[in-house]
Amino acid sequence: EVQLVESGGGLVQPGRSLRLSCVASGFSFDTYAMHWVRQAPGKGLEWVSGISWSSGSVDYADSVKGRFTVSRDNAQKSLYLQMNSLRVEDTALYYCAKESDATPSAMDVWGQGTTVTVS
Amino acid sequence: EIVLTQSPATLSLSPGERATLSCRASQTIRNYLAWYQQKPGQVPRLLIYDASNRVPGIPAKFSGSGSGTDFTLTISSLEPADVAVYYCQQRSDWTFTFGGGTKVEI
Repeated sequence: EVQLVESGGGLVQPGRSLRLSCVASGFSFDTYAMHWVRQAPGKGLEWVSGISWSSGSVDYADSVKGRFTVSRDNAQKSLYLQMNSLRVEDTALYYCAKESDATPSAMDVWGQGTTVTVS
Repeated sequence: EIVLTQSPATLSLSPGERATLSCRASQTIRNYLAWYQQKPGQVPRLLIYDASNRVPGIPAKFSGSGSGTDFTLTISSLEPADVAVYYCQQRSDWTFTFGGGTKVEI
């Protein structure tokens, strides 16, 4: 079964840091790009960051650029999101998502998410 | 940054009716446009990719169309199980953006 499991969320004060992790299973992790997408309470989806299979290409939403860093360890089948200088507006459920089998332009498997509360 | 605007924000229809959801891009995009369904308390589910391609296993009642800046998701015959928020999403190089969502009610 294809599965993504996020961890690392929690309650943190503004200005502090947090590192999220996502462990993959059931597919060839090292052949797919991966993404972080967040959803603030009661709000819509916001793409946060993406990283290619080789880590050669990465990008970020303007709202987190310069504060968040995405990385991956293909040997450990893990995706990470280092979040620094956290703000109240970063409070959200953070999903890890896999690049679609059919196209690199969509995401076809999502984890259950990990909650980050900045307060 | 490309902005996606979805309309209407909320769509209230009766069972059996056709739902037409719009997604407009702030500039012309390639057909790298996807649609997701998110039911209450659930994670998003990919329905349509590259504007008009249905994911295997997604019912044929869901269809996508459009090009350039205007895209549409159509649900041919609404059922209570279709109650959800629907999001469009685009990709430009390595940057992705989501629309604000359309809530479909029965």
